[in-house]
Amino acid sequence: DTAVSQTPKYLVTQMGNDKSIKCEQNLGHDTMYWYKQDSKKFLKIMFSYNNKELIINETVPNRFSPKSPDKAHLNLHINSLELGDSAVYFCASSTATYEQYFGPGTRLTVT
Amino acid sequence: GESVGLHLPTLSVQEGDNSIINCAYSNSASDYFIWYKQESGKGPQFIIDIRSNMDKRQGQRVTVLLNKTVKHLSLQIAATQPGDSAVYFCAEIHSGTYKYIFGTGTRLKVLA
Repeated sequence: DTAVSQTPKYLVTQMGNDKSIKCEQNLGHDTMYWYKQDSKKFLKIMFSYNNKELIINETVPNRFSPKSPDKAHLNLHINSLELGDSAVYFCASSTATYEQYFGPGTRLTVT
Repeated sequence: GESVGLHLPTLSVQEGDNSIINCAYSNSASDYFIWYKQESGKGPQFIIDIRSNMDKRQGQRVTVLLNKTVKHLSLQIAATQPGDSAVYFCAEIHSGTYKYIFGTGTRLKVLA
């Protein structure tokens, strides 16, 4: 069984488009995250939700909007995509003792 | 922005040798530390963790050492195998914040 899953795995789109990435975890964790990994492999947290409430909102353009319909899901919607948004986006979830588990990633390419 | 660790270096080791990957962390208030392994095309995978009330923790073939005085973390891999080839990240967190700060990673290459 997949613990943290993301769809799609690859996303190629043009500048200016709006796209969404979906994430689901079946681990029963209360906290979920979105990370961005750039071409140099640097991982930076973008958002975190705990029990469907936003608890971390890093310095991210407001074109990025997370949505958590329930504890098991955290989606990421991106408006007006730009070239600089190209990266790998990882969803993760964590236990109450901070063990964190990552999804397989979504490689976003903006052309 | 905040960061943990150095630029992405590469560590090359012979198969069967021991590997030591180092990390400097930034926040003296951090009380929980994790090492992750990321293989090509995959998400980071939890390897081992350590809390700030410990100096050393051992797992299967891996050991993490924590030196709070100099804010330094290391991961030791015994008898390195080809399957250990990956990028390794350290991460720090201050309990209650849920904000994980990741290092820039180290690429480990295992030479046959």
